[in-house]
Amino acid sequence: RKEVEQDPGPFNVPEGATVAFNCTYSNSASQSFFWYRQDCRKEPKLLMSVYSSGNEDGRFTAQLNRASQYISLLIRDSKLSDSATYLCVVPSDSGGYQKVTFGIGTKLQVIP
Amino acid sequence: GAGVSQSPSNKVTEKGKDVELRCDPISGHTALYWYRQSLGQGLEFLIYFQGNSAPDKSGLPSDRFSAERTGGSVSTLTIQRTQQEDSAVYLCASSLVRASTDTQYFGPGTRLTVL
Repeated sequence: RKEVEQDPGPFNVPEGATVAFNCTYSNSASQSFFWYRQDCRKEPKLLMSVYSSGNEDGRFTAQLNRASQYISLLIRDSKLSDSATYLCVVPSDSGGYQKVTFGIGTKLQVIP
Repeated sequence: GAGVSQSPSNKVTEKGKDVELRCDPISGHTALYWYRQSLGQGLEFLIYFQGNSAPDKSGLPSDRFSAERTGGSVSTLTIQRTQQEDSAVYLCASSLVRASTDTQYFGPGTRLTVL
């Protein structure tokens, strides 16, 4: 099993739709998780952090399911500007050694 | 304030040449990370620094790759005897202390093309 798995998509959705992405991870010891957004040919930028039970920020909701080892990102009322690749990020911090694993990313295309 | 900067933004080199990529993190950030992103691929974690120390170098793809950080600030990633498979965007990020709790701020990347 890959350390972090995402469906690469693309997800093509109409404006105003609700769309959800999942990300599964293999390291059960991971404590924190992040969603980053990457626009085409740009650097990744933090979208949301996901601690304990989840996080909500406007149209975006991120949730964590520890039992099944996945995090999700829900986008409501999709905008054209939401078109991007969404990266799931799972840092691990064991014995003072950090490692940061990015998923391959899920590409979202919001269609007018 | 200034974000993470990287130089050069683009580098074209011939196979077998050495290249040096530079990263200037956000001032005060103790953690610095190097990643590689090949076309259509995810980010590959290469190495991180806590201060000037790189505790784990196992993510570096081969012994042709090396990195250093001086003064707890600027970092350089050196690739010796470049190969065509080294062509990628090399991204640098910094965070206040650690990626498990702090936001990583990315630089714009260096696009390396090995002919």
